[in-house]
Amino acid sequence: EAGVAQSPRYKIIEKRQSVAFWCNPISGHATLYWYQQILGQGPKLLIQFQNNGVVDDSQLPKDRFSAERLKGVDSTLKIQPAKLEDSAVYLCASSKPAGLSTDTQYFGPGTRLTVL
Amino acid sequence: AQSVAQPEDQVNVAEGNPLTVKCTYSVSGNPYLFWYVQYPNRGLQFLLKYITGDNLVKGSYGFEAEFNKSQTSFHLKKPSALVSDSALYFCAVSTTGSNYQLIWGAGTKLIIKP
Repeated sequence: EAGVAQSPRYKIIEKRQSVAFWCNPISGHATLYWYQQILGQGPKLLIQFQNNGVVDDSQLPKDRFSAERLKGVDSTLKIQPAKLEDSAVYLCASSKPAGLSTDTQYFGPGTRLTVL
Repeated sequence: AQSVAQPEDQVNVAEGNPLTVKCTYSVSGNPYLFWYVQYPNRGLQFLLKYITGDNLVKGSYGFEAEFNKSQTSFHLKKPSALVSDSALYFCAVSTTGSNYQLIWGAGTKLIIKP
C-alpha cells in the first residue's frame, strides 16, 4: 500500500512570496490533516478535512494560509504572503473513513519550508 | 485543559540496555494513546496505540507501551535498545474532549550509544 505523498520535499522562498504544498493521501482515506511542525516542537494541526469538507480550521491563519481538497482526494496548502515565522515542516496525514478517535493517522514525509 | 507531557527532552541509553520514554496525559473522557517516531528529515511513523483492553500494547520494531490509568501514563519501552532506535519520539492522545483530534507532546530525543 502506497503511503502519503507530499511535494515538494524542500522549499526556500523570500518573505512575502507565496508557496504551495501538495498532498496525496493513502487511497481510501477520507480524512486528511495538515500540520505545522516547528523545530523542537510537536505538530500543530492547521486544518482537517473529511472528504472535501472542512472539519476544523480553527488554528489556520486565514489571513495568509488557505487549503483546499478538491474531489475529496488530493489537497493543496498555500501560504501567501509568507513570513519568517512560517519556516517549519508542513506535514500531511490521512486516516480511514471511520473518523473515530481510535483512527491511526499516517503521515507523509513532510515539506521543509525556509523563509528568508 | 487537555495536555500531554513528555518530561524528558532527551534520553540517553547504551546499546543493548532497556529503554523507557515517558509520557503522561491529562484529558477529560477516555484517552486513546499513540506513540510516533520521527527520524531526521522524515515524517512521523506510527509505532503503537492503546484503545482499550490489555494495558500492555505491543507495536512496531519491538517497542511496547504500558497504559496506567491511575498514574495517567503511557510510557514507551523496549527491552534491548539498538543504535538505529535513535530518533525523536512523540506521544499523543485523542479523546471525546478534544473532538477526537490528537493532542501532542513536545517530543523526546532518544540517543542510543554504541
